[in-house]
Parts: sequence; structure tokens; C-alpha cells
Amino acid sequence: RKEVEQDPGPFNVPEGATVAFNCTYSNSASQSFFWYRQDCRKEPKLLMSVYSSGNEDGRFTAQLNRASQYISLLIRDSKLSDSATYLCGSGGSNYKLTFGKGTLLTVNP
Amino acid sequence: DTEVTQTPKHLVMGMTNKKSLKCEQHMGHRAMYWYKQKAKKPPELMFVYSYEKLSINESVPSRFSPECPNSSLLNLHLHALQPEDSALYLCASSQDLTEVTFGAGSRLTVL
Repeated sequence: RKEVEQDPGPFNVPEGATVAFNCTYSNSASQSFFWYRQDCRKEPKLLMSVYSSGNEDGRFTAQLNRASQYISLLIRDSKLSDSATYLCGSGGSNYKLTFGKGTLLTVNP
Repeated sequence: DTEVTQTPKHLVMGMTNKKSLKCEQHMGHRAMYWYKQKAKKPPELMFVYSYEKLSINESVPSRFSPECPNSSLLNLHLHALQPEDSALYLCASSQDLTEVTFGAGSRLTVL
């Protein structure tokens, strides 16, 4: 079983839609959780760290459910500029950060 | 601009060549990483250096040889690569696991 499993996508949504991504992780000892955004032919960039209490940054909300070992990302009022690949990641105390397969989001006008 | 600098941005090499990829960060981060990314795939961890010591090697073939000369620098020495090694090689660094910052990558083509 892969350490991090992610919705395969791709997701095609109209502007203004709400879209949700989910990931599950297998290592219960994982300590840190992240969502990264990667544009075509660019490096991944940190979008949000994910905390048990949940965190929100504008249109983006990330949630962590330790009991069920999943993390989620909600994007509200999606914009054309949100089109990218979204990668979830989990890490442990050994500095090992592992990514899910990534989900391609295309926001259409 | 990314705070993790990688050179070269592009590299084309033959299977008998020896080349190196270089990475530098001046954020005082204690961990540095090499990832490999193929098209339409997620980054795959290759190596982790923690406090300048190799802490993780994800069973990477010996034709890839990492080196950490000091806390700011990370190299990846390449020798006798195969065409299937062509990929984007991403360097990254972190202070702890609160945030991992990636460089822009070195795009490698092996002929």
C-alpha cells in the first residue's frame, strides 16, 4: 500500500465552483501534512500546512482527520488561476516527505 | 525567486558522461533533499541529508551519488546514466518538517 493515496482526478470545474481533494495516509506515525501546488514544468510550492484544528487561508481550507488518516483541501469560488496539480504530502520525524500522485485541476471559464 | 537555487537548469548528457547537479540554500535549513520527478508523476524522494549526514537513501542506484559539502550545499553526481533517468531533479530544504522549500529543478536528458 502506498504511503499516501490521493484522488486520481483529473477535475474539470467551471469558474466559481467549489472543489474538494482528499488524501489518505498509511503511516500513523506521520507528524506533518501539507498541500502543495505545482504548475506545469515548475517546482511544487507549498500551498498550506495542515493541522488537526483545520486551517483556512482565503478561499482554501485544509483539514486533517487523524482517526481516519485523511487530509482534505477545499477550494471555494475557484478561479482560472487555480488550475494546477495539487499534491498532498505527509512527513515524519525522519524528514521524509512523501507525496500522493497529485490531482490535476482545470478551472474552465 | 526561489530560495533554493539549482544549477544547471537544463543538462543533456550521454550515457558515458560524468556530470553534477548543484543545489544551494541560505535559509539555515538543516535538512536537504533530492527528488526525481517524471512527467505527470509526483516527486519521488531519492536522498535526505540531515545535519550534513545522509539519513535516507531510497534504494537509489549507485550511478547517482549525493554529496553534502556543507550545510548550504548539496550536489548530485551523475555517472553512467540511462535514458530512463531523464527527469526533473528537484532539490529541497527544510528547517524541520514544518515546510519544505523546493528549487526550480534541473531538467536532465540522457541520450
